Amino acid sequence: GENVEQHPSTLSVQEGDSAVIKCTYSDSASNYFPWYKQELGKGPQLIIDIRSNVGEKKDQRIAVTLNKTAKHFSLHITETQPEDSAVYFCAASPGGNTPLVFGKGTRLSVIA
Amino acid sequence: DADVTQTPRNRITKTGKRIMLECSQTKGHDRMYWYRQDPGLGLRLIYYSFDVKDINKGEISDGYSVSRQAQAKFSLSLESAIPNQTALYFCATSGPGRETQYFGPGTRLLVL
Repeated sequence: GENVEQHPSTLSVQEGDSAVIKCTYSDSASNYFPWYKQELGKGPQLIIDIRSNVGEKKDQRIAVTLNKTAKHFSLHITETQPEDSAVYFCAASPGGNTPLVFGKGTRLSVIA
Repeated sequence: DADVTQTPRNRITKTGKRIMLECSQTKGHDRMYWYRQDPGLGLRLIYYSFDVKDINKGEISDGYSVSRQAQAKFSLSLESAIPNQTALYFCATSGPGRETQYFGPGTRLLVL
């Protein structure tokens, strides 16, 4: 089955700097890669996703890149703000009836 | 009103007690999931259901059972709670043939 590795487990950045979180997956059939943000006391919320027919996707200050050959994908947050502080999860799925497999999460702290 | 609701939000119970966590959704989704979150271990899938008559075990189903009472309701039971089931539990839903999952606010469970 699919296995998703996520790094780093914790990340601290200064406000205004960029943050990058990386994930690798094992199943070459995986074709859907979402990123979730979990704020304190809340459930994870989808912030951006990408499918395997696309190499990069942007939404304002966040972007996701996908390298199918290397089987890794990354979340990029530019101009970080204190409200970006949260736990971020990556996930992968081969689609169809296979549920998402999540990475172990990255705790991002943005220091003002 | 929230699309995915979980009750209770917090629960303290004793070892050996049977407890039930409930999840309801108004999104009209057919697929529902139960996850467990532990610090450093990410989101681990307990059970999932693609429709009322479909129940599937996830990665860590031992010690848990589920019931899909209706399309909108999916309950998780701990038949005889033990301390290592202390965790944060999340319910999630997704639409037919769609991988994107939408999470509830979570239930924090403490087993003494």
